[in-house]
Amino acid sequence: DIEVTQSPSSLSASVGDRVTITCRASQSIGTYLNWYQQKPGKAPKLLIYSASSLQSGVPSKFSGSGSGTDFTLAISSLQPEDFATYYCQQSYVIPYTFGQGTKLEIK
Amino acid sequence: QVQLQESGPGLVKPSETLSLTCSVSGGSISSGGNYWSWIRQHPGKGLEWIGHIYYSGSASYNPSLRSRVTISVDTSKNQFSLELTSVTAADTAVYFCARWGGGYSSKWYDYWGQGSLVIVSS
Repeated sequence: DIEVTQSPSSLSASVGDRVTITCRASQSIGTYLNWYQQKPGKAPKLLIYSASSLQSGVPSKFSGSGSGTDFTLAISSLQPEDFATYYCQQSYVIPYTFGQGTKLEIK
Repeated sequence: QVQLQESGPGLVKPSETLSLTCSVSGGSISSGGNYWSWIRQHPGKGLEWIGHIYYSGSASYNPSLRSRVTISVDTSKNQFSLELTSVTAADTAVYFCARWGGGYSSKWYDYWGQGSLVIVSS
């Protein structure tokens, strides 16, 4: 299985800050990497697909980059609704695997 | 707008079979290009891919669960289902159904059900 490792596991930031979350795959996966946001008690929501493409309806404050084994999700100008848990997921090969999640908390 | 809704028992006894159904509305499960998936999330933990099925009936499973999992599809009802046999407390989780859609080679989960909590307990 391809292991996907996110860092940090938790992150404390203030409203208005810009943050980055990284995701590292255990082998090269090209750009087969997606990012999701999950709020408590809710299903994950797709933010970024194919490493850098913004899902329709998602604000441009979210951006993704990377290829191969190293990827980044950036969130600018944090608002209260952005505090959630973020997951990356590789779609390169079955079994599709997710990172362990990054919990973004208000400082 | 595609919508997915899980249904099934919220409590299952150890050693029995967990059965869930996902009803799809706002689009046809037979439209092609999409795979219909099950994903679970243990309490307070991350996400685990269980498997998916194409409308033709072709399914793929996570090797870690393959011996106990069956995913089936009923195109006439626009539904797909999950069966997980011989459950233990370790199978207690929120089970999500989702659509694996997108491009020809690259795909992603673009629509999700709200999730169904299944507790395994006697």
